Amino acid sequence: QKEVEQNSGPLSVPEGAIASLNCTYSDRGSQSFFWYRQYSGKSPELIMSIYSNGDKEDGRFTAQLNKASQYVSLLIRDSQPSDSATYLCAVKGNTNAGKSTFGDGTTLTVKP
Amino acid sequence: DTAVSQTPKYLVTQMGNDKSIKCEQNLGHDTMYWYKQDSKKFLKIMFSYNNKELIINETVPNRFSPKSPDKAHLNLHINSLELGDSAVYFCASRLQGQGRYGYTFGSGTRLTVV
Repeated sequence: QKEVEQNSGPLSVPEGAIASLNCTYSDRGSQSFFWYRQYSGKSPELIMSIYSNGDKEDGRFTAQLNKASQYVSLLIRDSQPSDSATYLCAVKGNTNAGKSTFGDGTTLTVKP
Repeated sequence: DTAVSQTPKYLVTQMGNDKSIKCEQNLGHDTMYWYKQDSKKFLKIMFSYNNKELIINETVPNRFSPKSPDKAHLNLHINSLELGDSAVYFCASRLQGQGRYGYTFGSGTRLTVV
């Protein structure tokens, strides 16, 4: 079992729709959860972080965390073509080394 | 005003050569990392330094050797390059503090071994 698994994608949604990206993790002691966006040929960029169960909203982005189910998701409302990218879920375990383990990524395409 | 800068951006070299990648951050972060991203976009950690001390050393061939002269710099030296080393190498930094901070990545170094 992979430490961090994301829905395989690719995911395609029409402009204005809600895009839903999912991630599960295996380490029950994980503390911090991150979503990164990576445009083709560019470096990953942190867009959301979440540490407590529940929802966290930032503009059009909402991260949802359920530690009991070991599940974290990212919702993108009113999707725009500029949201087309690969979204990487990252999970930090409970050690002081601060290592984040990444999922394989889900490629999102928003069609105009 | 680049926060995490890597050089070079592109590196094309022949098998068997030795090469170095440099990384510098001006964010005042105390932890720096090297990640390798393969052709399938999977990001795998290689090394991490915290205030010049090596704290993560994943299963990486010993041809790869990191060096951190100070907490703002983390370099990666690769000996006897092989075809399988071709990938994008990302430097990242993070502020220590209960792990509640994500990474800031450099722009990456695309290494091609021919």
